[in-house]
Amino acid sequence: SYELTQPPSVSVSPGQTARITCSGDALPKKYAYWYQQKSGQAPVLVIYEDNKRPSGIPERFSGSSSGTMATLTISGAQVEDEADYYCYSTDTIDNHRRLFGGGTKLTVL
Amino acid sequence: QVQLVESGGGVVQPGRSLRLSCAASGFTFSDYGMHWVRQAPGKGLEWVAVISFDGSNKYYADSVKGRFTISRDNSKNTLYLQMNRLRPEDTAVYYCATEVVVVGATPFDYWGQGTLVTVSS
Repeated sequence: SYELTQPPSVSVSPGQTARITCSGDALPKKYAYWYQQKSGQAPVLVIYEDNKRPSGIPERFSGSSSGTMATLTISGAQVEDEADYYCYSTDTIDNHRRLFGGGTKLTVL
Repeated sequence: QVQLVESGGGVVQPGRSLRLSCAASGFTFSDYGMHWVRQAPGKGLEWVAVISFDGSNKYYADSVKGRFTISRDNSKNTLYLQMNRLRPEDTAVYYCATEVVVVGATPFDYWGQGTLVTVSS
């Protein structure tokens, strides 16, 4: 079955750049979306269609996609960015089904 | 403002059934596909099912196919998830969420706060 693979954890100091990757064979053909989830809260969309940022999301959040890898970059990470991040895309076998990556815990300290 | 409010969660024994509801308001519910997503305690997000705006198309994750049924009543602005033959591994917070739709330069993407389902004897 198709999977999206993320590193379990990423750790940076405040002000550093955090990069979270998402690997999937279909990513050259399918958009990647990124969700931020803080403890006890519902997920929030921070990047859509590979590299677009919703209004209200800080400019330090950016996305890119190249080949089979999508990347969420947080430039100048802040303590408040500490959260779990999930990539999200479409199943290759059935275009109507969706899936999430396993999630990456970002620690900023 | 857009609101999605889930209800119907609780404790249920293995093998039994439960129906979740998601009441939508603040937008034209019948224009949007809707998803159920779940999150087991301490685990990641898992996509469960999607239904098209008019209810004519439904798709499921392999882990729930044949046991869960997604449906909607556009006259009541409500999404449902009928869960049958529940297993302990179905224990999770269940979220309803809108399909991500880009309108102009703005994505329409909303989630409820979730309802907890615990499957235990």
